[in-house]
Amino acid sequence: KAGVTQTPRYLIKTRGQQVTLSCSPISGHRSVSWYQQTPGQGLQFLFEYFSETQRNKGNFPGRFSGRQFSNSRSEMNVSTLELGDSALYLCASSLVASGGRNYEQYFGPGTRLTVT
Amino acid sequence: AQSVTQPDIHITVSEGASLELRCNYSYGATPYLFWYVQSPGQGLQLLLKYFSGDTLVQGIKGFEAEFKRSQSSFNLRKPSVHWSDAAEYFCAVGATSGTYKYIFGTGTRLKVLA
Repeated sequence: KAGVTQTPRYLIKTRGQQVTLSCSPISGHRSVSWYQQTPGQGLQFLFEYFSETQRNKGNFPGRFSGRQFSNSRSEMNVSTLELGDSALYLCASSLVASGGRNYEQYFGPGTRLTVT
Repeated sequence: AQSVTQPDIHITVSEGASLELRCNYSYGATPYLFWYVQSPGQGLQLLLKYFSGDTLVQGIKGFEAEFKRSQSSFNLRKPSVHWSDAAEYFCAVGATSGTYKYIFGTGTRLKVLA
């Protein structure tokens, strides 16, 4: 079974631009979560989608948004990019929604975003 | 509040030596517990997980972890480290009730000496 895939793997953007990252979960998984990883802040939870609905949201500004499609694929969008948005963005998928019995996440390789 | 502490930022061991990475959590009930490994430039790979039952959990790549409720710990162990184990290791805690949170520790970077 194929793992979680993320595209693109690397991205360079300029301040003020916007960016869209894509995540395809493991086949059959309906929950997709997004994380931001930086050396200073570590792994921080952005949001979780399950069956096209946002279930949980972390403490990030409204510039960060996401959505999930009927095939469980998810996109994350960051508008008006700032230098501090440079990070590795990780997507994780799960068979069940968070809080469900035996909830566990499987991660993709990440998208490395550099904002200049 | 739910939290995870990995007290060791860096650990260096010789190849063939045993390894123990520490993880302490704070949570009002028994949480779900996980260990992940991340190689440079890669995503996180699930090593093992604890949901309930036997407190000694076996994972992939020869790793094991023991849940100790009295110490609020879930330490990761390996009897003999290989050079390929050099990576960053993250402990994570998943709440089992209330508003769900899945929180990661700050990670422990493992260096293996040949």
